[in-house]
Amino acid sequence: EVQLVESGGGLVQPGASLKLSCVASGFTFSDYWMSWVRQTPGKTMEWIGDIKYDGSYTNYAPSLKNRFTISRDNAKSTLYLQMSNVRSEDTATYYCTKGSYIDWGQGVMVTVSS
Amino acid sequence: DIVMTQGALPNPVPSGESASITCRSSKSLVYKDGKTYLNWFLQRPGQSPQLLTYWTSTRASGVSERFSGSGSGTYFTLKISRVRAEDAGVYYCQQVREYPHTFGAGTKLELK
Repeated sequence: EVQLVESGGGLVQPGASLKLSCVASGFTFSDYWMSWVRQTPGKTMEWIGDIKYDGSYTNYAPSLKNRFTISRDNAKSTLYLQMSNVRSEDTATYYCTKGSYIDWGQGVMVTVSS
Repeated sequence: DIVMTQGALPNPVPSGESASITCRSSKSLVYKDGKTYLNWFLQRPGQSPQLLTYWTSTRASGVSERFSGSGSGTYFTLKISRVRAEDAGVYYCQQVREYPHTFGAGTKLELK
């Protein structure tokens, strides 16, 4: 059974940095592109970016590429999202997804507030 | 970016009836391989999104035949036949024709 478990969220102050993790199991992690998607409190879905199975290539939403970085550690079957200089509009639930959005984690909440 | 625009449903929908959700893209979603890269998702209350269909009309594994996607170019429809209580939630379309992979705003389905 595919499992994607996100962690690392919480309350963070504006301007701070935060790193989210997504631990994968139930499939060969190194065979799949992985993505991050977020959902705002108003339920808007926003694609953040994705990373190639070997970590050699990434794509980002243009509005986020200067502040967000996606990486992976295939030895640990873990996907990461490094968020820097966070803003109130980054408040959302963050999901990691496998492949072509076939499987999703349960999501992790990030709240940016002073 | 490709803009995805979803239509609304005349909620609530009576159980057992059919419901159709529309999705329009600002650019054709046909890729050079001939496939049309449009996904549909259902997000039930309190749950993560679930992929229903991809390539416009191919159902994901385990998805009921009551869900059928159709369309071409820039106009797409998700039809839900014989609506049941478990179909309630918000439906999203997403284009994966080009980056960034944009979503529609969502269409809420409520049952009577």
